[in-house]
Amino acid sequence: EAGVAQSPRYKIIEKRQSVAFWCNPISGHATLYWYQQILGQGPKLLIQFQNNGVVDDSQLPKDRFSAERLKGVDSTLKIQPAKLEDSAVYLCASSLAQGAGEQYFGPGTRLTVT
Amino acid sequence: AQRVTQPEKLLSVFKGAPVELKCNYSYSGSPELFWYVQYSRQRLQLLLRHISRESIKGFTADLNKGETSFHLKKPFAQEEDSAMYYCALSRSGNTGKLIFGQGTTLQVKP
Repeated sequence: EAGVAQSPRYKIIEKRQSVAFWCNPISGHATLYWYQQILGQGPKLLIQFQNNGVVDDSQLPKDRFSAERLKGVDSTLKIQPAKLEDSAVYLCASSLAQGAGEQYFGPGTRLTVT
Repeated sequence: AQRVTQPEKLLSVFKGAPVELKCNYSYSGSPELFWYVQYSRQRLQLLLRHISRESIKGFTADLNKGETSFHLKKPFAQEEDSAMYYCALSRSGNTGKLIFGQGTTLQVKP
């Protein structure tokens, strides 16, 4: 089966600019996660969707980050305006259902904010 | 608050030596514990989870609730085991949200 797809793979922007990341989960996976991984740290959950509804966005900086999963399949994560500390790898993952255990990760998008 | 700690950033061993990657957690309830691995230029992927009690690629991990630990072990390391290893926790019955440790790089020297 095809894995989780993400694009772009790399992005360099200046601070205060905006950026968007796209994720296509594994077909049939109801749950989608966005993680932020800062260099030298483990991934940290930003937001979790169950179909097109938000389950957990407690660690999403809502003043600058937004995410949507309008049709319960693809998802977009946006940052506007970006700050230097947003430089990180943004990982998308999906699982069959909530609490299903194994999450399948995409290759990630490496964001550099200068 | 839930927390996962991996005390070693880097663990370097010779091929054939035993390996133990340490993971400690803090959580007052019943957690589900996982080990995820990322090989060079590959995606993060599940290695094993405590409830399945499997041995994957020769690795095992036992949940010790008394010591709140979930150390990953392998009796004889292979060069292909070189990778970044992450311990992760999910609250039992939870939404599936994973809390990751900082990761340990395992380097197996020939």
